[in-house]
Amino acid sequence: QSALTQPASVSGSPGQSITISCTGTSSDVDIYNYVSWYQQHPGKAPKLMIYNVSNRPSGVSNRFSGSKSGDTASLTISGLRTEDEADYYCTSYTTTTTLVLFGGGTKLTVL
Amino acid sequence: QVQLVESGGSVVQPGRSLRLSCAASGFTFSAYGMHWVRQAPGRGLEWVAFISYDGSRTYHADSVKGRFTISRDNSKNTVFLQMNSLRVEDTAVYYCARLDTSVFNAFDIWGQGTMVTVSS
Repeated sequence: QSALTQPASVSGSPGQSITISCTGTSSDVDIYNYVSWYQQHPGKAPKLMIYNVSNRPSGVSNRFSGSKSGDTASLTISGLRTEDEADYYCTSYTTTTTLVLFGGGTKLTVL
Repeated sequence: QVQLVESGGSVVQPGRSLRLSCAASGFTFSAYGMHWVRQAPGRGLEWVAFISYDGSRTYHADSVKGRFTISRDNSKNTVFLQMNSLRVEDTAVYYCARLDTSVFNAFDIWGQGTMVTVSS
């Protein structure tokens, strides 16, 4: 099954806000409120940033927020900081035997 | 503390086999389903396999079905990935991850990863 669709890259300046989209289908994002987002710095393991569409784990900055409309989920980072520069991945449960789908990943550059 | 530690990565020739291990600590391992996720060099994350908390259910990605097998030993708090008939395209960092279904419905704990290189 195809991965969820994310933009390959986004960029922003310190202090600005950016939004990363994650588009799926009626077999995944559209029907499950189990979309999660991960941050991955080079050479590091992914880190959970958002779960169940819009919830933040303890310790994650409130500058990170998530939402969903239909088959598209979004991650918004406000007040960009240089340390936010990383790759971001979305995931969703899926009705197929793949169980979990990942997005292709978005590279965030903080200019 | 809660952690996952993978091991077993290596350089192997195409067609050979390799077994990865992931040792868990700091939580009740036998209560959680576990997954393997891989990342080819410069590429995105790809889900590979899942095993239920008691080992009764397993699922594998189409790309590895029939070649890879996930298993677990709850007495040793360890999950395994047996990889047979390895291909060049299996080259990747392999992560084990806990998918919490009680609160997060997400991969809340990840190992540091172990590198598998398939090359002649």
